[in-house]
Amino acid sequence: GAGVSQSPRYKVAKRGQDVALRCDPISGHVSLFWYQQALGQGPEFLTYFQNEAQLDKSGLPSDRFFAERPEGSVSTLKIQRTQQEDSAVYLCASSFAHGGSYEQYFGPGTRLTVT
Amino acid sequence: DAKTTQPPSMDCAEGRAANLPCNHSTISGNEYVYWYRQIHSQGPQYIIHGLKNNETNEMASLIITEDRKSSTLILPHATLRDTAVYYCIVKVGSSGTYKYIFGTGTRLKVLA
Repeated sequence: GAGVSQSPRYKVAKRGQDVALRCDPISGHVSLFWYQQALGQGPEFLTYFQNEAQLDKSGLPSDRFFAERPEGSVSTLKIQRTQQEDSAVYLCASSFAHGGSYEQYFGPGTRLTVT
Repeated sequence: DAKTTQPPSMDCAEGRAANLPCNHSTISGNEYVYWYRQIHSQGPQYIIHGLKNNETNEMASLIITEDRKSSTLILPHATLRDTAVYYCIVKVGSSGTYKYIFGTGTRLKVLA
């Protein structure tokens, strides 16, 4: 079956622009996660949704970052007034259910470059 | 949050077993250990996970020490396609969120 898909795969934004990154999770997966991966580093947690509810946004680095999942399926991560330090790969992951024993499946990521 | 410690890099000869160690000395009793790998420009790929018992699947084996403070991922017959960064992760959380805390991983290079 289809895995997690993300679009666009690559995005170049000028400093100060707003960007929107899309994630299509695996169909039927309840949980959805966003991670940020800087060059040469492991991914870092940003936020978590269970269906349409955003239960944890503790990893969002500033109030310029906003995520939504209005119908409990597709999710969008929005970054307002982008800064150079926002340059990273943004990874989306989904899992079948909520709980410690359910693995997350990752998409290919969106590479954001802020110039 | 529990943290993991892994060697930054390892080499392994093709066809031999690759044994990747991980320390997670502050892990809590209900926290799972997960292993993923990431090949350049791709998202992390799930390999295996476990809580207390050793686990095996078609990709690898996971050996967890009795005190749960460390684990080892075993790739039984490494191939060139197994060259990747391998992440040992502790899944932390409770009723609210179960999130991965990634470390910096081990860069495994399989040599022909």
